[in-house]
Amino acid sequence: DGGITQSPKYLFRKEGQNVTLSCEQNLNHDAMYWYRQDPGQGLRLIYYSQIVNDFQKGDIAEGYSVSREKKESFPLTVTSAQKNPTAFYLCASSIVGVRDGYTFGSGTRLTVV
Amino acid sequence: RKEVEQDPGPFNVPEGATVAFNCTYSNSASQSFFWYRQDCRKEPKLLMSVYSSGNEDGRFTAQLNRASQYISLLIRDSKLSDSATYLCVVRQYNFNKFYFGSGTKLNVKP
Repeated sequence: DGGITQSPKYLFRKEGQNVTLSCEQNLNHDAMYWYRQDPGQGLRLIYYSQIVNDFQKGDIAEGYSVSREKKESFPLTVTSAQKNPTAFYLCASSIVGVRDGYTFGSGTRLTVV
Repeated sequence: RKEVEQDPGPFNVPEGATVAFNCTYSNSASQSFFWYRQDCRKEPKLLMSVYSSGNEDGRFTAQLNRASQYISLLIRDSKLSDSATYLCVVRQYNFNKFYFGSGTKLNVKP
């Protein structure tokens, strides 16, 4: 079955560490996205990519980095510059230019310890 | 001003009740509209797309009013399992971006 796989499900980070969250899709979707969700709040866009080797900053890109070397993969690195990284991170994908919604991965819950 | 605004709720309703959520969007260039459901600590899942003529899926009815720039979701005969947060989402083609409301929480009680 096609879908989006995020790993790990839970991640603990020490202060000052960089961590990378994985997102892989086999839906043949062109566009991929990373969102952050804080408790009781909506989704905020971190980065998105519409094509391989190209990506754009979203509303809260500071302290994060991404790469899009393959169509199927869009990893997110949470750097030590992100001062408050504890949150639920969601990866999504969509077909470009079609009236379809997103497909979401099951999320990664990141906690700073 | 936020791109998409929703009443955060919570809406507390008894089983069997009819409940309606509204959502407003600010950009008239928005072209596709959706309702997503999010359960606690889970990812959002597509509930239904919203079409200009309105559409129904079982107990759920979605309406779009482009002139007033709002979207609605009506749930009839509420079930306990309908308890969740409902997210309103709009899509703009030009930038292939989706905008999310902050969600409306529904609690259906026995």
